[in-house]
Amino acid sequence: QIVLTQSPAIMSASPGEKVTMTCSASSSVSYMHWYQQKSGTSPKRWIYDTSKLASGVPVRFSGSGSGTSYSLTISSMEAEDAATYYCQQWSSNPPTFGGGTKLEIK
Amino acid sequence: QVQLKESGPGLVAPSQSLSITCTVSGFSLTDYGVSWIRQPPGKGLEWLGVIWGGGSTYYNSALKSRLSISKDNSKSQVFLKMNSLQTDDTAMYYCAKKAQLGWYFDVWGAGTTVTVSS
Repeated sequence: QIVLTQSPAIMSASPGEKVTMTCSASSSVSYMHWYQQKSGTSPKRWIYDTSKLASGVPVRFSGSGSGTSYSLTISSMEAEDAATYYCQQWSSNPPTFGGGTKLEIK
Repeated sequence: QVQLKESGPGLVAPSQSLSITCTVSGFSLTDYGVSWIRQPPGKGLEWLGVIWGGGSTYYNSALKSRLSISKDNSKSQVFLKMNSLQTDDTAMYYCAKKAQLGWYFDVWGAGTTVTVSS
C-alpha cells in the first residue's frame, strides 16, 4: 500500500504568517486530497484533486504537487485555520491517509 | 442535503463483536460507495473498507479477516461488523461517502465512539 508521510507533525504560526505543510507518498499518485479536522469533529473535505478548494474553503488556502510530493499552503494564517490536516490518496488500493499535521496559532 | 449518521453500542467487551449502522439521507446507496474509517483517540485516520453501489466490498487487508460490510438499500443503511475486538480497536468510527467524480470522501458522518473494555 502507498504510505503517506506528512511533515511537520506539529507546527505553529502567527496570524498573517504563510504556512506550508507537505505530504510525501511512497509511490507516485495521480491526485492528493486534504481534510481539515478540528477537535471533537469529523474530518471535512478541504482540498480535492490536488488543488481544488471545497465549497466554503477560504481562498487563502491552496494545494499543489505531483508524483510523490504534495503540499497545502495558507497564504496568511488566521486563528480559524488552527486544526489538524490530513492528506489522502486513492490512486491505488487501499486508500490511505497521512499521519496528519497539527497546526496551532501562536 | 447529503447526511450520514452512525449509531453503535458505545461499549464492547474484549473478544466480543461490534455492529455499527450508518444511516444515510440525500442520496441513494445504489449510486455511491460508502466507506468505514476509524480514528483511535489522539491518533490518525485508518480506512477499514468500502461497499460499492452494486454491493461489492473491498477491505483493508490488515483487518479483512475480522470485518464485514453490508447494506440495506431500501432502508438507506450500511452496516459494519467486526469480530474479536481488542482494546486497540477503541476508536471513533466514521462512515463516509465517496465523491461522485473523485477518489475521496466528500461527506462524513459525525462518528460513533466505540470503547473496548471489560
